Amino acid sequence: AQSVSQHNHHVILSEAASLELGCNYSYGGTVNLFWYVQYPGQHLQLLLKYFSGDPLVKGIKGFEAEFIKSKFSFNLRKPSVQWSDTAEYFCAVNARGGNKLTFGTGTQLKVEL
Amino acid sequence: DTGVSQDPRHKITKRGQNVTFRCDPISEHNRLYWYRQTLGQGPEFLTYFQNEAQLEKSRLLSDRFSAERPKGSFSTLEIQRTEQGDSAMYLCASSLAPTSEYNEQFFGPGTRLTVL
Repeated sequence: AQSVSQHNHHVILSEAASLELGCNYSYGGTVNLFWYVQYPGQHLQLLLKYFSGDPLVKGIKGFEAEFIKSKFSFNLRKPSVQWSDTAEYFCAVNARGGNKLTFGTGTQLKVEL
Repeated sequence: DTGVSQDPRHKITKRGQNVTFRCDPISEHNRLYWYRQTLGQGPEFLTYFQNEAQLEKSRLLSDRFSAERPKGSFSTLEIQRTEQGDSAMYLCASSLAPTSEYNEQFFGPGTRLTVL
């Protein structure tokens, strides 16, 4: 069975600061990796995804994530955060060819002006 | 709006009552998923359908829970004899069964259940 760990539960940053949210997964086979974001009062939205190919993937709103297979990691990054990035961020994984997503516990990001 | 919709958005019930939630997936999607999310946790998989067939159920889905997708379109999730521990956000997602190995799921807004 797969599992996902997100190391930071709450992160507070000032606008223009750089962001890196950690995500590690545990699974013996090939996986698809996702970052979802949930803005206040809104539903889960896909931020970016990795299936194969270039391990550095770019998503919406200037976010990117790097898949490091040897470290079982898929960390989310953004060079300069904005107040509007305040949200909860979830890392998720599913086994290649599988169906269910396994989510981490989420990271609540607050960006202060 | 062509996204996943769920109804109701909020449900308050008394312990022991039955509740039913509905999910309407994106119209061309043939896979439909139910997840449950409690405070401070990420969503946890409950069950999924491909068309009208329920193909996988989590052990989280006790006998009091039943899900259906009778015509391969909308789905219902029923909880019988609700308990306070059932209080959670119930999320529905849908996807298009891929021709490859990739499976991107789109989520609805959820139904927040409070059991008093």
